[in-house]
Amino acid sequence: QSVLTQPPSVSGAPGQRVTISCTGSSSNIGAGYDVHWYQQLPGTAPKLLIYGNSNRPSGVPDRFSGSKSGTSASLAITGLQAEDEADYYCQSYDSSLSGRRVFGGGTKLTVL
Amino acid sequence: QITLKESGPTLVKPTQTLTLTCTFSGFSLSTSGVGVGWIRQPPGKALEWLALIYWNDDKRYSPSLKSRLTITKDTSKNQVVLTMTNMDPVDTATYYCAHSDYGDYGWFDPWGQGTLVTVSS
Repeated sequence: QSVLTQPPSVSGAPGQRVTISCTGSSSNIGAGYDVHWYQQLPGTAPKLLIYGNSNRPSGVPDRFSGSKSGTSASLAITGLQAEDEADYYCQSYDSSLSGRRVFGGGTKLTVL
Repeated sequence: QITLKESGPTLVKPTQTLTLTCTFSGFSLSTSGVGVGWIRQPPGKALEWLALIYWNDDKRYSPSLKSRLTITKDTSKNQVVLTMTNMDPVDTATYYCAHSDYGDYGWFDPWGQGTLVTVSS
């Protein structure tokens, strides 16, 4: 059971917009800690996609965007492309139990 | 350019101790704010954060695994070592190391390629 809750799967057709939610609690996202997002293509290591809730590292297309509100965060992907099919994970900090980094359970994005 | 690479045994027996080494380049673990973390991923499952060590030798551990984990660094060799005691088949996973900035609230970037560790007799 992950501290951060994500939907197991989402899907969309090419060109569409999809969102992936990441729900936490008052000891992590709700406490104001930043949320970061990773993309894991099949058979590869995770790659940073969004940091600090809404910032894109150099080289990440602006089709990817992040937001945070209350105890939740969201990753939005517009203009869906076949190469976006991957697993997506959110990550934050949790102040309970001596403080630790926590990941969501991951969301499998399928491009139809 | 920052790179990291994990190394260690691919197969360990139950009850044994696992020792993994992360060898990195492109940054120094003596620079203020810098850290290296370990994350694992069982086959077909989610990422799980394990441990993190900072430039000042401050250490953080996953509460659920704290009693089994030790993280150390060798700044002169640009290496971080993770040991996990009393290995069990449920510890079978790909183990990643990753660079981290901005202290406890930061992110992991980049990641190593990962190393698959199988626990089996």
